[in-house]
Amino acid sequence: EVQLVESGGGLVQPGRSLRLSCAASGFTFDDYAMHWVRQAPGKGLEWVSGISWNSGSIGYADSVKGRFTISRDNAKNSLYLQMNSLRAEDTALYYCAKGRMGDRRGWFDPWGQGTLVTVSS
Amino acid sequence: EIVMTQSPATLSVSPGERATLSCRASQSVSSNLAWYQQKPGQAPRLLIYGASTRATGIPARFSGSGSGTEFTLTISSLQSEDFAVYYCQQYNNWREYTFGQGTKLEIK
Repeated sequence: EVQLVESGGGLVQPGRSLRLSCAASGFTFDDYAMHWVRQAPGKGLEWVSGISWNSGSIGYADSVKGRFTISRDNAKNSLYLQMNSLRAEDTALYYCAKGRMGDRRGWFDPWGQGTLVTVSS
Repeated sequence: EIVMTQSPATLSVSPGERATLSCRASQSVSSNLAWYQQKPGQAPRLLIYGASTRATGIPARFSGSGSGTEFTLTISSLQSEDFAVYYCQQYNNWREYTFGQGTKLEIK
């Protein structure tokens, strides 16, 4: 069974940094693209960032470009999101999601349960 | 950026009836469209990809159609567990994925 478990969320002041992690199991992690998707309280879904199987293709939403950095460690079956210069509007539940094999564009399946990031002074 | 617009925002339907949800793209995404279901307190679940292919384990009462800019998710006979929020997502361009704002399907 595929499992994605996010961690690293919490309360952080505006302008500070936070690093999210996603531990993957139940599939060959280094074969698949991975993504971060967030959901602000009571709002819809927003794709944040994605990374191909070998880190050769990386993308970011305009709202986080230049502030967030996605990375992965295939030896540890782990995905990361380094979030710098955090703003109140970054407050959300951050989901880790499995993409398609290689660097193919596609859908997200499955998703983790999410880790909550709250940016507030 | 490709903007995805879902309608209606809220849909009230009785159990056993058919529900039709719409999703429109601001430019063509071919068949690069997925649908997700999200229940309160849960992560989204993939229902449909490639505009019309059901994901593993998804009941046959869920069907997707469309291509280009107009897409539809149909639930043929609503069960109590189908009342949730539904999102469409386009994946036409790597690095530029976008979701619709969601349609809340509620019990009439």
